[in-house]
Amino acid sequence: DIQMTQSPSSLSASVGDRVNITCRASQSISNYLNWYQQRPGKAPELLIYSASNLQSGVPSRFSGGGSGTDFTLTISSLQPEDFATYYCQKTYNIPLTFGGGTKVEIK
Amino acid sequence: EVQLLESGGGLVQPGGSLRLSCTASGFTFRTYAMSWVRQAPGKGLEWVSGIFGSGGSTFHADSMKGRFTISRDNSKNTLYLQMNSLRAEDTAVYYCARHTQQIVYYAMDVWGQGTSVTVSS
Repeated sequence: DIQMTQSPSSLSASVGDRVNITCRASQSISNYLNWYQQRPGKAPELLIYSASNLQSGVPSRFSGGGSGTDFTLTISSLQPEDFATYYCQKTYNIPLTFGGGTKVEIK
Repeated sequence: EVQLLESGGGLVQPGGSLRLSCTASGFTFRTYAMSWVRQAPGKGLEWVSGIFGSGGSTFHADSMKGRFTISRDNSKNTLYLQMNSLRAEDTAVYYCARHTQQIVYYAMDVWGQGTSVTVSS
């Protein structure tokens, strides 16, 4: 199975900071990579699909990039509502594996 | 409004069975693939099972094969997860989620609120 590794597992940042989260696949997954945000006690929400496409309704400060094995989620200017856990997920083949998550906390 | 509503969770003894349901509304259910995703307490997301919009193809994570069965009734706009031989490590919140296409190889854009399953004696 293809493994998905996210880094860092957690980070502390301030409002207005630029944040980058990395997701690495153990084999090429083309652009079959999605990003989700999960706030405490809530269901996940789709942010980015197919590596770089912004889901409808998601603020433009979120962006995604990469292809093959290396992907990045960027938050250009962190807002108070962005403090949450972020997950990448591959949908290239079965199983549809999630990364381990990155918890973004307030500095 | 597009909505998914899970039900059927609860407390079950090890070795027992449970059937989860997910009722969809606000969209043409049969035209979307669906999946179950779970989250153990304090842990990350884990994909459990998926099914094509037609119901013709189903998939399960290796740790659930032979114990869990995903199915759907497109006439009732309902997704199911039959869980047998439950173990303590199956304790989690179970979410149903809609894929953006008829097959599972695309993102999940709509999620339910989750139903909690606790396996304990």
